[in-house]
Formats: sequence, structure tokens, C-alpha cells
Amino acid sequence: EAGVTQFPSHSVIEKGQTVTLRCDPISGHDNLYWYRRVMGKEIKFLLHFVKESKQDESGMPNNRFLAERTGGTYSTLKVQPAELEDSGVYFCASSQVRGVREKLFFGSGTQLSVL
Amino acid sequence: GQNIDQPTEMTATEGAIVQINCTYQTSGFNGLFWYQQHAGEAPTFLSYNVLDGLEETGRFSSFLSRSDSYGYLLLQELQMKDSASYFCAVKVAAGNKLTFGGGTRVLVKP
Repeated sequence: EAGVTQFPSHSVIEKGQTVTLRCDPISGHDNLYWYRRVMGKEIKFLLHFVKESKQDESGMPNNRFLAERTGGTYSTLKVQPAELEDSGVYFCASSQVRGVREKLFFGSGTQLSVL
Repeated sequence: GQNIDQPTEMTATEGAIVQINCTYQTSGFNGLFWYQQHAGEAPTFLSYNVLDGLEETGRFSSFLSRSDSYGYLLLQELQMKDSASYFCAVKVAAGNKLTFGGGTRVLVKP
């Protein structure tokens, strides 16, 4: 079974540019999450999709971040325009069952560097 | 706000035991999770506690005391491959998102 895949694995862009990150969850997983880890700090929640619907986007930093999950399959996270403080590792995770015992499967992350 | 504390770094010798403590202050509690992450790889699920007590899975055990808002991950018979970052995370009652601690980097030396 393929795991959660993220593309690209690394991205280096200049301040003001646009970057789009992609996440392919495990097939059949309705729940898809985006998290971010800024250097050396905790992994912070960004948002949660259930199928194609945004269930919780309380962690999105500002309106420069736009996440979509058309058709309830893969998801994209676009940052436009990127700022220096957006640098970090962006993780995607998916799960099949919601609730207390929900186990998240993470991708390897996209390392974003904004110069 | 939510706050989860765990040590930043721990070093131990191969074959030894390491205990990573985690304390949390959150607006709700619906489970304590532990994830392991090797550098450059995906975080992977290790264990889960929702009731007080000890959960054992092979060389790894996790403990929870809800009255103390405290838990720990115990790594026994350390192997070199256990060198990784270990994240404590709490599922807050409202919603499904996990709130993570800053991670503990464990270095196992020969």
C-alpha cells in the first residue's frame, strides 16, 4: 500500500513568489491534514479536510495560504506571495477513521525555504 | 492556549533506557499520542494513551496520568536506529487535530 506522498520534497523560492505544495493521501482516507514545522519548533496544525470539505482551518496563518482538495483526493497548499517566515517543513497526513483512536499517517514533508 | 512541554534533547548509550517526559496544558483532552521521526522522513505513529496507565509495545512503552496532565515514552534496550525525534501530541476534545510538543531529539551512542 502506498503511503502519503508529498511533492516537491524541497522548494527554494524568493520572497514574493508563489509556491504550490501537493499531497496525495493514502487511497480511501477521507481525512487529510496539513501541518507545519518551523525550524526547531513544534509541529503546528494548519487545516483539516474531510473529503473535499474544509472541516477546520483554524490553523491557517493568514490569507496568503490557500488549501484545496478538489474531488476529495489529493490536496494542494498554495502560498502566495511567500514571506520569509513561511519557511519550514510542511507535512501532510491522512487517516481513515475519525475519532479518539484516529491514527495519522504522515508524508515525508516538503522543506520550503523562502529567501 | 495549548501548551505541551517535552525535553529538547536526550542522549543515551546503546542498550540503555530513556524516558521522555511530556506535560500538557490543554483546553480538553482526548488522548496522548507519540510519534517518531527520523531526519528527513515522515513522522510515524508509535503509541496512544487515553486511559491512565501503561501501554506496552515491544521495546517501547507509553504512560499516562490524566490527573497530573503527564505522560512519558519509555524506550528500552536502545538501539542505534532509535536515534530520532520523538513528538508528544494531544488530541484536544474539540475537533480531531493534534497539538504537538516541540519534539525530543534522542541520540543513541555506541
